[in-house]
Amino acid sequence: GENVEQHPSTLSVQEGDSAVIKCTYSDSASNYFPWYKQELGKRPQLIIDIRSNVGEKKDQRIAVTLNKTAKHFSLHITETQPEDSAVYFCAASLGGIQGAQKLVFGQGTRLTINP
Amino acid sequence: SAVISQKPSRDICQRGTSLTIQCQVDSQVTMMFWYRQQPGQSLTLIATANQGSEATYESGFVIDKFPISRPNLTFSTLTVSNMSPEDSSIYLCSVVHSGGDTEAFFGQGTRLTVV
Repeated sequence: GENVEQHPSTLSVQEGDSAVIKCTYSDSASNYFPWYKQELGKRPQLIIDIRSNVGEKKDQRIAVTLNKTAKHFSLHITETQPEDSAVYFCAASLGGIQGAQKLVFGQGTRLTINP
Repeated sequence: SAVISQKPSRDICQRGTSLTIQCQVDSQVTMMFWYRQQPGQSLTLIATANQGSEATYESGFVIDKFPISRPNLTFSTLTVSNMSPEDSSIYLCSVVHSGGDTEAFFGQGTRLTVV
C-alpha cells in the first residue's frame, strides 16, 4: 500500500522567514496530494492541495510543488507569521470512485514561528 | 464545505467497556471515513463507512473491535469495543462530497481516554 514520509518532524523559523516541509510517497498511482494544518486541540483543516497533472500551485503565502518522477511534494510558506505555528500533515490519495479519496498521511511537522 | 457534528467530543471510559461515537453531516456525502490519531501522532485510516453495507477496514483494524454503521448518506457511528488503555486516542470522522470534489473535511474529533 501507499506510504508517505514527511520531513522534518519539527521546524522552527524566525517570523518573516520561509518554511519548507517535504514529503515522499511510494505509490506512483497516487493522484491527489493535500496539506492539512492542525492547531492544538483542533481538527485538521485543508490549506492547499495539488493533483498529479499539475507541478505547482500557489495560494497567497502558501505554495505546493509536486515532482511525479521523484514521487515527492513540498509545502512552502513564505513570510511566516506567528499564526502559522501548528502541526502540518501531508497526505496522498489511494484513489477512489467519483473523486472521493482515502488519504494516507505523513507523520506531521510541528512548525514553530519565533517572533 | 460541510458542517460535521461529532459526539461526544471527549469521554473517559473504563477498560472493558465500549463507546459509540456519532458523526452527523449537514448534507449528503459520497464517502465517510473514520481515522484514529494517537497522542502526538499522525492520522491513520481505520475504515471507510459504506452506506447500507459493511464497512471496509484497513490493515490492522477489524470489525469486532471497531464496528461501524452508516444507515444513510449523512450519519455514521464508530464503536470502540472492549476498550483498553491502548485505545486512548482521538477518533475523527471525515467526509468527502460527491461530484468530483476531493477535499476531505474532518469532524472536531472525539478524545477518548481509557482508564
